Amino acid sequence: NAGVTQTPKFQVLKTGQSMTLQCAQDMNHEYMSWYRQDPGMGLRLIHYSVGAGITDQGEVPNGYNVSRSTTEDFPLRLLSAAPSQTSVYFCASSYSSQGNTEAFFGQGTRLTVV
Amino acid sequence: SQKIEQNSEALNIQEGKTATLTCNYTNYSPAYLQWYRQDPGRGPVFLLLIRENEKEKRKERLKVTFDTTLKQSLFHITASQPADSATYLCALLQYSGGGADGLTFGKGTHLIIQP
Repeated sequence: NAGVTQTPKFQVLKTGQSMTLQCAQDMNHEYMSWYRQDPGMGLRLIHYSVGAGITDQGEVPNGYNVSRSTTEDFPLRLLSAAPSQTSVYFCASSYSSQGNTEAFFGQGTRLTVV
Repeated sequence: SQKIEQNSEALNIQEGKTATLTCNYTNYSPAYLQWYRQDPGRGPVFLLLIRENEKEKRKERLKVTFDTTLKQSLFHITASQPADSATYLCALLQYSGGGADGLTFGKGTHLIIQP
């Protein structure tokens, strides 16, 4: 059972480049989310999805796009990378969106924008 | 606005003692509160979930309390070991006008257990 798989683990981008962070889960969870984690700021919610075809914005959505075409996959797209997007990104999934089930996290993607 | 505060950025405890971490929240009326552990370079790992009608929850050496009047949760590790050294995060479900928005995390407490 792989759980939540994120790729890549590390990435360096130049300012203005675009890229997609991949996230896949094999637990048939309806709820998936993306967080960024910065020193002193904790985990901040970027976007989330309560099921295939349904996405919504979290606390810090600007500069990011998401889509959810299948239950398993929830990619995060950076449209035009900026140094302020240098961070560690975590994808998470859970059975429920109501906070009453545990969230499973991926290993993270460390992104540096130069 | 909804806010979660964890008592300190770092906590040093001697091995064998009980470590107590605090999570305070404002402008929430959570039905559930969760605690996670995060090791350097890794994603958070779920530890315990407590419901609003539960005063206390235990799992091995871990104990969580939930006081909805004080708007506070305490997380205890008894007989602490150096392997318990990690960052511990509390999390609540965030709500807005449109409904549930996902888990919001505190900034975490970095716990160091000294041998």
